[in-house]
Amino acid sequence: DVVMTQSPLSLPVTLGQPASISCRSSHSLAYSDGNTYLNWFLQRPGQSPRRLIYKVSNRDSGVPDRFSGSGSGTDFTLKISRVEAEDVGVYYCMQGTHWPRTFGQGTKVEIK
Amino acid sequence: EVQVVEFGGGLVQPGGSLRLSCEASGFTFSDYWMSWVRQAPGKGLEWVANIKQDVNEKTYVDSVKGRFTISRDDTKNSLYLQMNSLRVEDTAVYYCARVDPDNVYWGQGTLVTVSS
Repeated sequence: DVVMTQSPLSLPVTLGQPASISCRSSHSLAYSDGNTYLNWFLQRPGQSPRRLIYKVSNRDSGVPDRFSGSGSGTDFTLKISRVEAEDVGVYYCMQGTHWPRTFGQGTKVEIK
Repeated sequence: EVQVVEFGGGLVQPGGSLRLSCEASGFTFSDYWMSWVRQAPGKGLEWVANIKQDVNEKTYVDSVKGRFTISRDDTKNSLYLQMNSLRVEDTAVYYCARVDPDNVYWGQGTLVTVSS
């Protein structure tokens, strides 16, 4: 199985400051159709995870533009340009290139 | 709109059994792999089992092999998880999920608590 490794696992941030989460995969996530299926989800307390970013860098409808995704191959990053209070929760990367799909361990973002 | 709704969670003693069900709507159920994903209290997301469209291929996480069985009934747009020999460590919210390469559609989950 493809192992997804996130860092850090805990990220205390100051409101208005930037934040960055790394996600590394044990195998390349580039697929034969030309896409790279690396997705980011946010899970708020008591809720199901919600997708923020798909195929590395595509923001979902309604996701603020302070969120951005980047990367290729095995190395990916989610950045928040200026953290707001509503951004707290656990962020997961997920690869959809290989079966079985696999998640990272999750990064808990909290306000200092 | 893609929707999945899970049923069947509850409290069960160690060694007991439980059957989870999931009803899907808003898409052609028979066209998709389906999965069960779980989340133990305060922990991350873990794939439990996957089932292919033609049901000939099923995969399980090692910790549930031989104890859990995933199945589907495409005539009822339904997914199931038969859980036997339950352990305390199986305590989790169980999500039914349609897993596409670039998205996961899941319900609100159903809580399974294994405790004496």
